Amino acid sequence: AQSVTQLGSHVSVSEGALVLLRCNYSSSVPPYLFWYVQYPNQGLQLLLKYTTGATLVKGINGFEAEFKKSETSFHLTKPSAHMSDAAEYFCAVRHSGYSTLTFGKGTMLLVSP
Amino acid sequence: EPEVTQTPSHQVTQMGQEVILRCVPISNHLYFYWYRQILGQKVEFLVSFYNNEISEKSEIFDDQFSVERPDGSNFTLKIRSTKLEDSAMYFCASSEKALYNEQFFGPGTRLTVL
Repeated sequence: AQSVTQLGSHVSVSEGALVLLRCNYSSSVPPYLFWYVQYPNQGLQLLLKYTTGATLVKGINGFEAEFKKSETSFHLTKPSAHMSDAAEYFCAVRHSGYSTLTFGKGTMLLVSP
Repeated sequence: EPEVTQTPSHQVTQMGQEVILRCVPISNHLYFYWYRQILGQKVEFLVSFYNNEISEKSEIFDDQFSVERPDGSNFTLKIRSTKLEDSAMYFCASSEKALYNEQFFGPGTRLTVL
């Protein structure tokens, strides 16, 4: 069975600093990988996804993630944090042939001035 | 921009009562999903629905749960006899196609069972 681990329930950065949110997955077959963001009182919004092809994926709001098969990782990064990036971020995996998503526990990103 | 909507935003109920959570998926989407997140835990898949029948369901989705698309726009999740452990945020999602399309999520309904 697939699973997703997000290291750190909370990550704090200063405005302008690098954002790094970690995600590792367990899977016996190549997965599809996703990052979602949830702002307060809103639904989950897709930031980016990896299906096939280029392992470095660019998403909305300046975020990107790199699929590293050897490390079973799909970490989310952004070079310079903005106050508006403060939200909860969820990593998710979906296996080929299945439509359901398996989520991590989420990481709350806190951005200080 | 089209979006998934859910009502109510917060539902409080007594243990043993039936609740119905409502969702309006994006109009041209064909696949519908319910997920839930117990406070402090992962978002968990409950059920997927296509062509008026359940296509996949998790172990959580037992006989206490049911889903329905009563008309052309609504998608509902019913819990027949709520338990304390059903307290969670319930998310509805929809997608145009099943396997390769993004799932669009609603804002969630927070269910509190007392």
